[in-house]
Amino acid sequence: QKEVEQNSGPLSVPEGAIASLNCTYSDRGSQSFFWYRQYSGKSPELIMFIYSNGDKEDGRFTAQLNKASQYVSLLIRDSQPSDSATYLCAVKSPPDGLTFGKGTHLIIQP
Amino acid sequence: DGGITQSPKYLFRKEGQNVTLSCEQNLNHDAMYWYRQDPGQGLRLIYYSQIVNDFQKGDIAEGYSVSREKKESFPLTVTSAQKNPTAFYLCASSVSGRTEAFFGQGTRLTVV
Repeated sequence: QKEVEQNSGPLSVPEGAIASLNCTYSDRGSQSFFWYRQYSGKSPELIMFIYSNGDKEDGRFTAQLNKASQYVSLLIRDSQPSDSATYLCAVKSPPDGLTFGKGTHLIIQP
Repeated sequence: DGGITQSPKYLFRKEGQNVTLSCEQNLNHDAMYWYRQDPGQGLRLIYYSQIVNDFQKGDIAEGYSVSREKKESFPLTVTSAQKNPTAFYLCASSVSGRTEAFFGQGTRLTVV
């Protein structure tokens, strides 16, 4: 059984600080890694994806991947109240669809 | 506008009834997926299809059925055999060969 683990939170971060979200996965054959943001009652929105070890930056977001440790993280710099949401980590192990973690609830305190 | 359209947004079903959830995309994506989300839970894969007239079971396919007669459409039927159908159902699609999946707005199904 492929598993993706996330701390459910809530993770509370002051406005303007860096939010750090973490995820571990069980299947070493996983090839692609994704972070989705989900507001309450809404569908998930893709915010980052990463395929190779190392860091990938997009605006205020940085995804980090360490395949040896089976670990993925998402950093959000200069956190804003609008970043308050549940962040879902997802992993793809072909040929299946994405396997999701249960999500981390992030709260940005003004 | 390109996107993934799910309908209806809210659906109420009586126990023992089958219901069909619609998912249509005009993104020319080859792959389509159905997920289920329960409160406080992550998404669980029900069925997926990589190509027309072909689909595979996901982790929780029991009590569900799908069809893929057209590239644009991937309807999900929740049958009376599904014991706990009340959930948020999400349809997604992706380009073949790439793995980012984009989601529709979801259908919230409630059994009454």
